[in-house]
Amino acid sequence: QKEVEQNSGPLSVPEGAIASLNCTYSDRGSQSFFWYRQYSGKSPELIMSIYSNGDKEDGRFTAQLNKASQYVSLLIRDSQPSDSATYLCAVNGQAGTALIFGKGTTLSVSS
Amino acid sequence: GAGVSQSPSNKVTEKGKDVELRCDPISGHTALYWYRQSLGQGLEFLIYFQGNSAPDKSGLPSDRFSAERTGGSVSTLTIQRTQQEDSAVYLCASSPATNEKLFFGSGTQLSVL
Repeated sequence: QKEVEQNSGPLSVPEGAIASLNCTYSDRGSQSFFWYRQYSGKSPELIMSIYSNGDKEDGRFTAQLNKASQYVSLLIRDSQPSDSATYLCAVNGQAGTALIFGKGTTLSVSS
Repeated sequence: GAGVSQSPSNKVTEKGKDVELRCDPISGHTALYWYRQSLGQGLEFLIYFQGNSAPDKSGLPSDRFSAERTGGSVSTLTIQRTQQEDSAVYLCASSPATNEKLFFGSGTQLSVL
């Protein structure tokens, strides 16, 4: 059974701080990694995708991937109250396999 | 279409009844997923269609659940003899190809009384 694990939180950070969200996965053959954001009562929306080891930056967001440790993280710099949401880590295994989501980490940014 | 369309948006049914949930993906998207999300929980994978390949049904929780995708486009998720534990939001998503971004519909809120 392929698994994606996340700390459910809540993770509370003050406005302007860096929020760090972590995810581990069980399938060593996984190839594609995604972070989705889900506001309460809404559908998930993609924030970042990452496919190779290292860091990938997009604005205030940085995704980090370490395949050897089977670990992927999301850093949010200069956190804003509007970043308060649940962040879902999603992992694809071998090509053609289903995208599996973690249970999500709830982030709360206080002003 | 502009996005992934799901219908109905809300469905209330009695225990033991059958329900059908519909998903109309973005035109040209070859991959289609069904997920279930219970209140305060993550996304539970149900089934995955990719082009003409056999669907991955490994997430279906019981034989009361089935899904089909006709003509590589519209998909229907059927739940037979509904139970109260089936109450959840059922989300459909499509993608232009494997390992690419998913576009989600707004979901169907299913309530089984």
